[in-house]
Amino acid sequence: EIVLTQSPGTVSLSPGERATLSCRASQSVSSSYLAWYQQKPGQAPRLLIYGASSRATGIPDRFSGSGSGTDFTLTITRLEPEDFAVYYCHQYSRSPRTFGQGTKVEIK
Amino acid sequence: EVQLVQSGAEVKKPGESLNISCKASGYTFTTYWIGWVRQMPGKGLEWMGIIYPADSDTKYSPSFQGQVTISADKSINTAYLQWTGLKAPDTAMYYCVRVRTMLRSPPDYWGQGTLVTVSS
Repeated sequence: EIVLTQSPGTVSLSPGERATLSCRASQSVSSSYLAWYQQKPGQAPRLLIYGASSRATGIPDRFSGSGSGTDFTLTITRLEPEDFAVYYCHQYSRSPRTFGQGTKVEIK
Repeated sequence: EVQLVQSGAEVKKPGESLNISCKASGYTFTTYWIGWVRQMPGKGLEWMGIIYPADSDTKYSPSFQGQVTISADKSINTAYLQWTGLKAPDTAMYYCVRVRTMLRSPPDYWGQGTLVTVSS
């Protein structure tokens, strides 16, 4: 199975700062079938990015995704207070689908 | 409006059976797959398996094969996750998700989650 490793585990930032989250795959994720999800405490995850770089409906343009092959990045420009949460990457290229272990973006 | 509404929280003893549900509305149930995702307390997301309600074609992640059963009843737009002998490590939040295809499309809608607690 494809193992997704996210880094860092936790990042401490202030509102207005830029967040750069990494997701590295143990094998190539074909056709960039990689998504990013945001999860806040007590809530279900929400789809942010699919196809490595396409924003889901209603997602603000401060969220962007990039990458291909085995290295993917989620960037949040100008963190808003509501962006402090846990972020997961998810590959849907090969069965079984897998998730990364998550990156927590916390308020500094 | 697409909605996945899951059944309520459950508290069970080890060895007991359990069936939790996920009722879909706002779209044609038989044209999407329904997946299940586990989240153990304080941990990340784990893919369990997926079912196509139109014909009940089901795929399990190897870690969950033989541990749970996924089913669906297309007459009432509902998918199920079933255990026949719960264990303490089954304590987790379980989410159902909607997926356009078995692979190559991401879960786009999530249920609110069902918390399962297994304790003696």
